Amino acid sequence: GDSVTQMEGPVTLSEEAFLTINCTYTATGYPSLFWYVQYPGEGLQLLLKATKADDKGSNKGFEATYRKETTSFHLEKGSVQVSDSAVYFCAFVIQGAQKLVFGQGTRLTINP
Amino acid sequence: NAGVTQTPKFQVLKTGQSMTLQCAQDMNHEYMSWYRQDPGMGLRLIHYSVGAGITDQGEVPNGYNVSRSTTEDFPLRLLSAAPSQTSVYFCASSTTSNTEAFFGQGTRLTVV
Repeated sequence: GDSVTQMEGPVTLSEEAFLTINCTYTATGYPSLFWYVQYPGEGLQLLLKATKADDKGSNKGFEATYRKETTSFHLEKGSVQVSDSAVYFCAFVIQGAQKLVFGQGTRLTINP
Repeated sequence: NAGVTQTPKFQVLKTGQSMTLQCAQDMNHEYMSWYRQDPGMGLRLIHYSVGAGITDQGEVPNGYNVSRSTTEDFPLRLLSAAPSQTSVYFCASSTTSNTEAFFGQGTRLTVV
């Protein structure tokens, strides 16, 4: 069935470190891919998205590339800040389907 | 622009009690959905609606009812609360099921 596997957390980094959060998916159709972020006490908000193979989504210094051959959508940022501390969710939706499929979330903590 | 508004933010129920979680959006979105978020499990779809008067079950619908009498509102009803329904509940809306989802801030529900 459809599923998302995310890098297990929690992840703790120092400010200005390089970040990678791995995400792979299993989809029965052609998915659009998303990264959502949940800051403490808030709902989820879209961080970036990619709708077809080789597309790169980017926002706030974060990037992720839609890799169809490896069914992956890894999240990267070159230099993290304390304000990036949050829970990050990888997700996809299949054309014609009615739901987002989420990974379990990765909690990221950035120390000054 | 309020986006997606959920009420209440926190609720404690006794086993067997009933209650309604409210969700309203002001973006004229056709698609609305309810998710529950449990530790280590990401978000799971409870019910969704593709437009006023139309609702359908997600992957974990048992114990919950929904209705969609207007485009703006999509309440979630717990008929007889159980401890297994202790969770954080998120309402989301989008133009269609394939586009960016906008989330409310969540309702933290505890059933004792």
